Amino acid sequence: NAGVTQTPKFRILKIGQSMTLQCTQDMNHNYMYWYRQDPGMGLKLIYYSVGAGITDKGEVPNGYNVSRSTTEDFPLRLELAAPSQTSVYFCASSSTGDEQYFGPGTRLTVT
Amino acid sequence: KNEVEQSPQNLTAQEGEFITINCSYSVGISALHWLQQHPGGGIVSLFMLSSGKKKHGRLIATINIQEKHSSLHITASHPRDSAVYICALTGGSQGNLIFGKGTKLSVKP
Repeated sequence: NAGVTQTPKFRILKIGQSMTLQCTQDMNHNYMYWYRQDPGMGLKLIYYSVGAGITDKGEVPNGYNVSRSTTEDFPLRLELAAPSQTSVYFCASSSTGDEQYFGPGTRLTVT
Repeated sequence: KNEVEQSPQNLTAQEGEFITINCSYSVGISALHWLQQHPGGGIVSLFMLSSGKKKHGRLIATINIQEKHSSLHITASHPRDSAVYICALTGGSQGNLIFGKGTKLSVKP
């Protein structure tokens, strides 16, 4: 099993550009999460999903959108990138909502 | 006040020392997690516990539910233990984790 994979690993965006961060898991987990990690801060929840077709907002959803058309994939969309979205993004999955498995992260810079 | 407080924020130790990292929380939880984040950035789950104590190799995690406190101990520390150790709670209604800011550990040879 590859576990949780994320692409790309690094990306530089200009202000106002759009992009999609990809996340795929091969463990047949129902729960999937997107977190962002800013320097000196704990990870914060952006969006989550408890199964295909079901998504909901977390603590910091503004500026992001998600979809969950399959169990495996949970892409995160940035529509109009802003410098405040410069961060490291982690996708995670869980079968029961308890122990979570993390992807390697995507480092995004918006300039 | 943050829901999860870790101490210390930074810790430098000599190889072989016994290390303790503390986590205090202020909300009800179903489980507490200790995670390790290496300099490369990847996050790995070390422990998930809801009571008592767990041990894996040189790592020991304890939790006191009444006092809302957990500790992570590393025995016979080694430079490869250098990482950020993160305490997180399963307390969110969505099953999401609530994270502490992490403790950066550096073990010198």
